[in-house]
Amino acid sequence: GAVVSQHPSWVICKSGTSVKIECRSLDFQATTMFWYRQFPKQSLMLMATSNEGSKATYEQGVEKDKFLINHASLTLSTLTVTSAHPEDSSFYICSATTPSLNYGYTFGSGTRLTVV
Amino acid sequence: LAKTTQPISMDSYEGQEVNITCSHNNIATNDYITWYQQFPSQGPRFIIQGYKTKVTNEVASLFIPADRKSSTLSLPRVSLSDTAVYYCLVGDRGGSYIPTFGRGTSLIVHP
Repeated sequence: GAVVSQHPSWVICKSGTSVKIECRSLDFQATTMFWYRQFPKQSLMLMATSNEGSKATYEQGVEKDKFLINHASLTLSTLTVTSAHPEDSSFYICSATTPSLNYGYTFGSGTRLTVV
Repeated sequence: LAKTTQPISMDSYEGQEVNITCSHNNIATNDYITWYQQFPSQGPRFIIQGYKTKVTNEVASLFIPADRKSSTLSLPRVSLSDTAVYYCLVGDRGGSYIPTFGRGTSLIVHP
């Protein structure tokens, strides 16, 4: 149980275009989802926290107009990287939790974004 | 938020027991200790969680001393497939907790 599916697993896009990454909780309703970014050989850096039906809370230094997060339902959150640039190339990971899991946290498999 | 400190890297050999220690000197009363494993280009995977004393599951053991200021993840008889980065996280299980990752420990298992 407690599976989080993230899609796509990898994506290559041209500079200036936008890319959407989906995060779905398959067998539970996720009241809260988190988005992380991870650069090579580095740890996961929290980008934002999103609660279903409300605006995401972004960490300091993360551009909310560039990284659009939508958590419209209890099973789906999306991260859209707008006007992507090569420096946005990274590994993006989502995580989800809910009270029914006693606040255990399940992570998606990640999305490798390469902007060319 | 309790800060954690782990060794940056460790080396071991197949069949050995590996112990990774995490320091969390300012752990709060309601905080739990959770360990995650991450392989390259994958999301973190839950290994084990504990509050005090010892917890054991099918893949690892977690030892927590009485003062709870540190914890040790024990991996019995490691194999090459245990080569990964291991993260120790500390936080309560309330709704306000946000999993925050430190640098983790890169474990390399040699043949």
